[in-house]
Amino acid sequence: QKEVEQDPGPLSVPEGAIVSLNCTYSNSAFQYFMWYRQYSRKGPELLMYTYSSGNKEDGRFTAQVDKSSKYISLFIRDSQPSDSATYLCAVSERNTGNQFYFGTGTSLTVIP
Amino acid sequence: DSGVTQTPKHLITATGQRVTLRCSPRSGDLSVYWYQQSLDQGLQFLIQYYNGEERAKGNILERFSAQQFPDLHSELNLSSLELGDSALYFCASSVKARGEETQYFGPGTRLLVL
Repeated sequence: QKEVEQDPGPLSVPEGAIVSLNCTYSNSAFQYFMWYRQYSRKGPELLMYTYSSGNKEDGRFTAQVDKSSKYISLFIRDSQPSDSATYLCAVSERNTGNQFYFGTGTSLTVIP
Repeated sequence: DSGVTQTPKHLITATGQRVTLRCSPRSGDLSVYWYQQSLDQGLQFLIQYYNGEERAKGNILERFSAQQFPDLHSELNLSSLELGDSALYFCASSVKARGEETQYFGPGTRLLVL
């Protein structure tokens, strides 16, 4: 079983829609949860970083962690064409000196 | 432009060969990470260095090795190359080594093993 599973999509939504991206993970020891955005032919960029359970909001982006069900989500409100990219979730056990595990990524297209 | 540079951009080589990928972190960043991204495996963390010392190890094969030099640039050495090693190799850097820090990714080196 992979450490983190992510629906690869592709996901296509109209501009302005609310987007929900999700991952599940297998090891309850994971405490740090990240979302990256990767544009085509570019390196990933960190969007959200959360510790333990709960929500974290940054502008149009909200990251949600439910440790009881080992489920993490990224919500994008008022989606824009510039949000079209691949979104990767990642998990780790510790904050430093740790192994990162990435989901395979969900491809998102926001249609104007 | 993230400030992280990687050379070469593209590399084509044959099975059994050895290659070296180079990464220069952003000015002031002490931590360097290496990742491999392939279509079937996705993005995989390979190894992390902090100020010249290995800090964390991921899914790095024994045929692969890395080091960080005193000037903080890093090299990833891939030997006895196999077809399955064809992938995009990213280097990233951050100021320290804490997970919540933004990692700045380079443009990647695309390796094709024939």
